[in-house]
Amino acid sequence: TQLLEQSPQFLSIQEGENLTVYCNSSSVFSSLQWYRQEPGEGPVLLVTVVTGGEVKKLKRLTFQFGDARKDSSLHITAAQPGDTGLYLCAGYSGTYKYIFGTGTRLKVLA
Amino acid sequence: EAEVAQSPRYKITEKSQAVAFWCDPISGHATLYWYRQILGQGPELLVQFQDESVVDDSQLPKDRFSAERLKGVDSTLKIQPAELGDSAMYLCASSLWGRGGSSGANVLTFGAGSRLTVL
Repeated sequence: TQLLEQSPQFLSIQEGENLTVYCNSSSVFSSLQWYRQEPGEGPVLLVTVVTGGEVKKLKRLTFQFGDARKDSSLHITAAQPGDTGLYLCAGYSGTYKYIFGTGTRLKVLA
Repeated sequence: EAEVAQSPRYKITEKSQAVAFWCDPISGHATLYWYRQILGQGPELLVQFQDESVVDDSQLPKDRFSAERLKGVDSTLKIQPAELGDSAMYLCASSLWGRGGSSGANVLTFGAGSRLTVL
């Protein structure tokens, strides 16, 4: 069974601080996606990484796919209250299916 | 911008009652997914359709849950009878896979979800 464990589970920080969220698995994934979900809404795709070692930047967000394609990280620089939400990683497990991670709930305080 | 429509947004029911959720995916999307999400956790796949066919329903509790996508467009997820542990958000998503989209780098577009509370 493929599992994606995210850490930390909860994170509460002050505006302007930096943070990193981790997504780890014992399985290899051909690609991995990161989503953000706001309360009462569905997840929204932030990025897809497909190559081991790949780094993608989206404004203040930096995503990295591990060399072995078993793990990924999301780094946010100078967090803002608008970054508050549930962050989810999802690994492609074949047959057009993604397996979601356990989630990291982020709260950025003004 | 095209959206995945879900209804109802909220449903409160008593245990042992029947409940149904409806999803209308983005037009032309071949693949449709139903996920269940406990508050604060990651979504868990219940069932996946490719057009009107079920691709994966291995995590669907078939003694009480059923799902259909008769014409390969909209879909219904039913629970009968509902149990207290079924309280969760039920998310529908769709993607272009099966319509020429490449595997491994496709976008899942989610609806806003249907929140179920079983009393």
